Amino acid sequence: QSALTQPPSVSGAPGQRVTISCTGSNSNIGAGYHVHWYQQLPGTAPKLLIYGNTNRPSGVPDRFSASKAGTSASLAITGLQPEDEGDYYCQSYDSLSVLYVFGTGTKVTVL
Amino acid sequence: EVQLVQSGAEVKKPGESLKISCKASGYSFTTYWIGWVRQTPGKGLEWMAIIYPVDSDIRYSPSFQGRVTISVDRSITTAYLQWSSLRASDTAMYYCVRHVETQFDYWGQGNLITVSS
Repeated sequence: QSALTQPPSVSGAPGQRVTISCTGSNSNIGAGYHVHWYQQLPGTAPKLLIYGNTNRPSGVPDRFSASKAGTSASLAITGLQPEDEGDYYCQSYDSLSVLYVFGTGTKVTVL
Repeated sequence: EVQLVQSGAEVKKPGESLKISCKASGYSFTTYWIGWVRQTPGKGLEWMAIIYPVDSDIRYSPSFQGRVTISVDRSITTAYLQWSSLRASDTAMYYCVRHVETQFDYWGQGNLITVSS
């Protein structure tokens, strides 16, 4: 079902900047549908991190930012913290399959 | 505070039926769609279905249409997901989600469903 591709893992030292890509197609991201990002910390449910391509819900630190261009999107974490370690998923809508699709997920490791 | 509180973990045998629940609070239940997302180690996160509590308008993912049934009880602000005949492949974590625009802004704590003979 996954129509959005992410790298399996990224890592960085505390304080560094890491980015996670999310590659879609012309039936989802490229068609103009919004991209959202979720953070899943170990043993917990996913939590909305970024919505509407670039917006942070109340309470999300500004070290998390996101962008979208063409058929791809990316999430950046600047000033990486140990508590950022977990899994990150992008999500959009796909008009071809008529469903909400998630990315394959990326595990962020803080070295 | 928005909360989605799900019923507990379940262990069932293949062929058995199951209905899990999600109690919503802290917001107007009839204003938002509510739905379910499955998570497995192999397939990751998969959107299953959403329902609009006002009129029970439903959208199913083609992958889950016919396999599960989503419903709500507005009087107790609770959403449900049910199976008539479970399979081992239904073993997964199931999350209740509040749906707004094209995203899922609140998630329940999850129901771990294990189907094994």
